[in-house]
Amino acid sequence: EAGVVQSPRYKIIEKKQPVAFWCNPISGHNTLYWYRQNLGQGPELLIRYENEEAVDDSQLPKDRFSAERLKGVDSTLKIQPAELGDSAVYLCASSLSGRAQETQYFGPGTRLLVL
Amino acid sequence: RKEVEQDPGPFNVPEGATVAFNCTYSNSASQSFFWYRQDCRKEPKLLMSVYSSGNEDGRFTAQLNRASQYISLLIRDSKLSDSATYLCVVNRPGNQFYFGTGTSLTVIP
Repeated sequence: EAGVVQSPRYKIIEKKQPVAFWCNPISGHNTLYWYRQNLGQGPELLIRYENEEAVDDSQLPKDRFSAERLKGVDSTLKIQPAELGDSAVYLCASSLSGRAQETQYFGPGTRLLVL
Repeated sequence: RKEVEQDPGPFNVPEGATVAFNCTYSNSASQSFFWYRQDCRKEPKLLMSVYSSGNEDGRFTAQLNRASQYISLLIRDSKLSDSATYLCVVNRPGNQFYFGTGTSLTVIP
């Protein structure tokens, strides 16, 4: 069974440019998470979807970040405009139904470097 | 205060050693707990869930102390392949997951 797929794997952009990341969760998984992981830190949740509904976006910097999950499957995370401090690894994860004890399965991440 | 705190290490131990990591959490209403493993430049992967009664999986033992709000992970007979960063994860009510900063382990031949 295919795992969580993310693209691109690497992205280098100049500050003030837009960037988008794409995630395809494990088939049948209703819950999708976007995390940001800075160097030497643990992942920090940006947004969580239950199907197509964003149920927790309290940590998403809404002035420049946006996300969507159309049809409750694939998801896109966008940053516009990017800032130097946005350089990080952006991880997508999915779980079956988002229950507390469920395992989250992570994708390989997108490494973003903002110059 | 951070939601989840871990000693970042690094822990450098010889092969065959026993090593223990601790993690504390701030919200007493937290309801589920996990240890994830993350290899260098890879994604986190679930190592084990942590149950109230404690649980063991081969060389790995996880314990939960709700009264003191800490979680521990014990690795016995360390292998070179255990070298990684170990992330403590806590799920608060509302299904909010919080990751610690991770503890780095290097097992030395």
